[in-house]
Amino acid sequence: AQTVTQSQPEMSVQEAETVTLSCTYDTSESDYYLFWYKQPPSRQMILVIRQEAYKQQNATENRFSVNFQKAAKSFSLKISDSQLGDAAMYFCAYRAPQGGSEKLVFGKGMKLTVNP
Amino acid sequence: EAGVVQSPRYKIIEKKQPVAFWCNPISGHNTLYWYRQNLGQGPELLIRYENEEAVDDSQLPKDRFSAERLKGVDSTLKIQPAELGDSAVYLCASSLQNYEQYFGPGTRLTVT
Repeated sequence: AQTVTQSQPEMSVQEAETVTLSCTYDTSESDYYLFWYKQPPSRQMILVIRQEAYKQQNATENRFSVNFQKAAKSFSLKISDSQLGDAAMYFCAYRAPQGGSEKLVFGKGMKLTVNP
Repeated sequence: EAGVVQSPRYKIIEKKQPVAFWCNPISGHNTLYWYRQNLGQGPELLIRYENEEAVDDSQLPKDRFSAERLKGVDSTLKIQPAELGDSAVYLCASSLQNYEQYFGPGTRLTVT
């Protein structure tokens, strides 16, 4: 079974600085999808960024970028120029390739605090 | 485009009482998911629908949980009777035959 591990339960960053959130996963598949979701106190899970395993290029979305290391099964999220609105729980998630189970397998999450 | 709608946002009930949650997915999304998120954990899938058909309900505690998705649109998740351990956030998500799932705001259930 696939598993996702987020080993850091909490992190903090100063406003305008950069922070990196770590995630590792375990799978025997060669093709799959990885996601970072943000969950503010409102509880709604918001997709931050996604990465297809077959793509070598790391995904980027404005201030958010990933470092995808397929061989190491590592998928970290870098937030640049941190803003107060970035404060939230962040979840790393795995999804099997198309045609397989479509459920998302989530890590336990990490609480990010942004200090002004 | 309206997002996934869930109601109620909060529910407090006594143990052994029934409770129901409602979800309206994004228009046109054929796949609907119910997840349960325990405190301090990531969400875990309870059931997935493809149109009206439940295609993955392996994690649904069938002795007390039931779900339906009539006409392949709205869905209802029911618990009867509720137990203290059912206190959690229940999240609904939908997708359109691809890997991007959009989540609703969730229902926070407290069982006393």
